[in-house]
Amino acid sequence: EIVLTQSPTTMAASPGEKVTLTCRASSSVSYMHWYQQRSGTSPKLWIYETSKLASGVPNRFSGSGSGTSYSLTINSMETEDAATYYCQQGSSYPPTFGGGTKLELK
Amino acid sequence: EVQLVESGGGLVQPGRSLKLSCVASGFTFSNYGMNWIRQAPGKGLEWVAYISSGSSYIYYAETVKGRFTISRDNAKNTLYLQMTSLRSEDTALYYCARPVQPGYFDYWGQGVMVTVSS
Repeated sequence: EIVLTQSPTTMAASPGEKVTLTCRASSSVSYMHWYQQRSGTSPKLWIYETSKLASGVPNRFSGSGSGTSYSLTINSMETEDAATYYCQQGSSYPPTFGGGTKLELK
Repeated sequence: EVQLVESGGGLVQPGRSLKLSCVASGFTFSNYGMNWIRQAPGKGLEWVAYISSGSSYIYYAETVKGRFTISRDNAKNTLYLQMTSLRSEDTALYYCARPVQPGYFDYWGQGVMVTVSS
């Protein structure tokens, strides 16, 4: 099973600040996918196939990476971006998720 | 509009059974594999099980293998999860989710809570 490690576990960012979340895989994967989960709601697909934004996702978000190292970047933090973000790989069975990064507003 | 609506959760004693359902609408259910994914209170996401569109292929997480059974009824647009020999560590919010190649989940239900406690 591929283990995904996200860092940091928790962080706070001010409005307008650039934010980078990291996800490292224990083995190489073809793609990384990201989900946003706001408190009390279901996860939403946010970025798929490493860098493609899901429908309705603002273009201040971007994704990048390859092999075992991937990242999600917010160009300019906004209030609505406060949430927990999970990375997920589906290259190898079973599909696995990272432990999540909780992003708070400073 | 794609909708996935789970039901069947509740409070159950350790060792007992429970069956979850997920009714799908807004897409051709019989064309898609489906998954169950769970989230323990305050914790992250854990994939539980997958069933292919025609039920030919079924996979389980090691943590539930032998205790949980995933199934579907394409005529009723419904996905099921039969859970037996429940343990306290099975306490979680259970989501059904639609998978898309290459291996991500594009739609999720609202989740149904299962609490295993005496």
